[in-house]
Amino acid sequence: DGGITQSPKYLFRKEGQNVTLSCEQNLNHDAMYWYRQDPGQGLRLIYYSQIVNDFQKGDIAEGYSVSREKKESFPLTVTSAQKNPTAFYLCASSMGRSGTQPQHFGDGTRLSIL
Amino acid sequence: DQQVKQNSPSLSVQEGRISILNCDYTNSMFDYFLWYKKYPAEGPTFLISISSIKDKNEDGRFTVFLNKSAKHLSLHIVPSQPGDSAVYFCAASEWANAGGTSYGKLTFGQGTILTVHP
Repeated sequence: DGGITQSPKYLFRKEGQNVTLSCEQNLNHDAMYWYRQDPGQGLRLIYYSQIVNDFQKGDIAEGYSVSREKKESFPLTVTSAQKNPTAFYLCASSMGRSGTQPQHFGDGTRLSIL
Repeated sequence: DQQVKQNSPSLSVQEGRISILNCDYTNSMFDYFLWYKKYPAEGPTFLISISSIKDKNEDGRFTVFLNKSAKHLSLHIVPSQPGDSAVYFCAASEWANAGGTSYGKLTFGQGTILTVHP
């Protein structure tokens, strides 16, 4: 069954710590995305990648970093520079870069501060 | 500046009746619109979409209407079923520039919680 796998489901971060959220897809999609969702708000784009070894900042990239070394994988690191990291993080992928191709989402990682 | 707004945080409907979820947008550059459905502890799943050159798209019980002049779209679910209870997000796409290439960037509304009572 093709899909997007995000891990872990829940993650706790200590002050000053970097944490990495995993996102793997087996849909053979070129484009991948990271979104953040806060209560009562829509999804906001953190980073976008349309091809291996290429990624672009979204609307709220400060305090986050990504890598795209393999087509299937797009991990997100929440650095200590992100002062308000508590949120629900969603990874998505799409066949191409057009907005007409629906994005497929993983089940998310909920990040909290210890 | 919220470019896509879903002004109703929640909607309660009786099973078998029509559910109407609304979405307003401000950006004239949006050229494609999508609805996603989200159950608790799961990621959103794509439901239905519509191009800006159309005013209606239908898929089974789901119909999306687009009024470009009013910058408004709505999702109709007929008949509503208890399994439709979920959060519904509308999203709008525009071409955005990133690193010398362009891509379809989605802007999401805040979501509407739909509850369908048996």
